[in-house]
Formats: sequence, C-alpha cells, structure tokens
Amino acid sequence: DTAVSQTPKYLVTQMGNDKSIKCEQNLGHDTMYWYKQDSKKFLKIMFSYNNKELIINETVPNRFSPKSPDKAHLNLHINSLELGDSAVYFCASSQLTRTEAFFGQGTRLTVV
Amino acid sequence: SQQGEEDPQALSIQEGENATMNCSYKTSINNLQWYRQNSGRGLVHLILIRSNEREKHSGRLRVTLDTSKKSSSLLITASRAADTASYFCATGGTGANSKLTFGKGITLSVRP
Repeated sequence: DTAVSQTPKYLVTQMGNDKSIKCEQNLGHDTMYWYKQDSKKFLKIMFSYNNKELIINETVPNRFSPKSPDKAHLNLHINSLELGDSAVYFCASSQLTRTEAFFGQGTRLTVV
Repeated sequence: SQQGEEDPQALSIQEGENATMNCSYKTSINNLQWYRQNSGRGLVHLILIRSNEREKHSGRLRVTLDTSKKSSSLLITASRAADTASYFCATGGTGANSKLTFGKGITLSVRP
C-alpha cells in the first residue's frame, strides 16, 4: 500500500488557471508538508500542518492555499497560475516534526 | 533560507568503490537526515542521526555527525549502479514545530 500518495502525477495547465493537488497519507502521522522542488532540484518547504493546524507557512504567494480536512489529507490549491509556478511539488508526512519524513511521488506541474 | 550545503555537488565513481558525501549546516539541530531521490521519483529516507550521536550505521551506509563543526558525512561502501541517485541532507531543528530543511543535493553516478 502506498504510504503517501498525491494526485495527479503530472499537471499541464495554462497561465491564469486554478488547480489543485491532493495528498493523502495512511501512516497515521500527525504532521504533513508541502515542498516545492525547482529545476535545480532545490527543495523548499512551503507549508506544514500538525493535526490539521497550520504551523509553518513560508514566504509563499497567497495564491497558494493549503487545506487539511483531516489529519490524513493535505491538499494544495493554486490560483491564477504563473509560469514560475512550474516545478515538482512534493507532499510528505511525519510523526511530529522530529522524525523521518515520508514523501509522495511528486506532482510535476507545468504552466504554459 | 537554506540550511544544509552538500559537497561535492556531483560525484562519479566506479561500481565497488566507496562514495563519501559531506553536508554542512548553520544552526542548532535536533537531528540530521539523509535522503535519496532517484530520477523522477520522490525522496526516500535513508538514515537519521540525532544531535547527541556521533556515528550511525545502516547496511552499507555510515553516517557521522560533528556538531562542533556543524557537519555530517554519508559514506556508501561497495557502491552499486543502483545507488545512482541524488542524495540530500536535511536538518531538523530544535523547536517544537521545527521543519526539515534540505540542502541542494549531490548527484551520485556509479559506473558499472
């Protein structure tokens, strides 16, 4: 069984559109994250949720809005997509913030 | 801001040789972790070393941590072609809601 699954795996969309990426974890973890990996493979944290509560919100445009309906899900909604949003977005989860993180397979977003 | 800095940025070795990768960081940490990312895939956790530990082993992996120098090294012994991947160090902070901060990664190529 997949521990952290995110959908879709690939997303190609036009500038200005709104899109969502879904993430689910079946590990019983209490903390979930969204990371963005750019073309140089640099991984930057965007958001972190603990028990459905936002605990980390890095300097991310407010066009990005995370939503955590329950502990097992953390979705990412992006409004008014821009070319610079093209990247691979990874969802991850961990038990508390001091243990190993489990990553999803990533969503490659391409904005054209 | 980026915490971990790995070196070298790229490493090419022959199968059977050992690979050593280094990571330096800037602030106090609770733990340091190493992850592997195969091309087009998510990150996979390899090993976690806590700030009060100096060395840890897991199979062909050996990690050291020197908190006085704020550095860590990952040694992969008897490398295999399947070890070809990008390797990232990540630091977990000391705060209750600290985040995992990743370095830029090292690209390891193991030639058969």
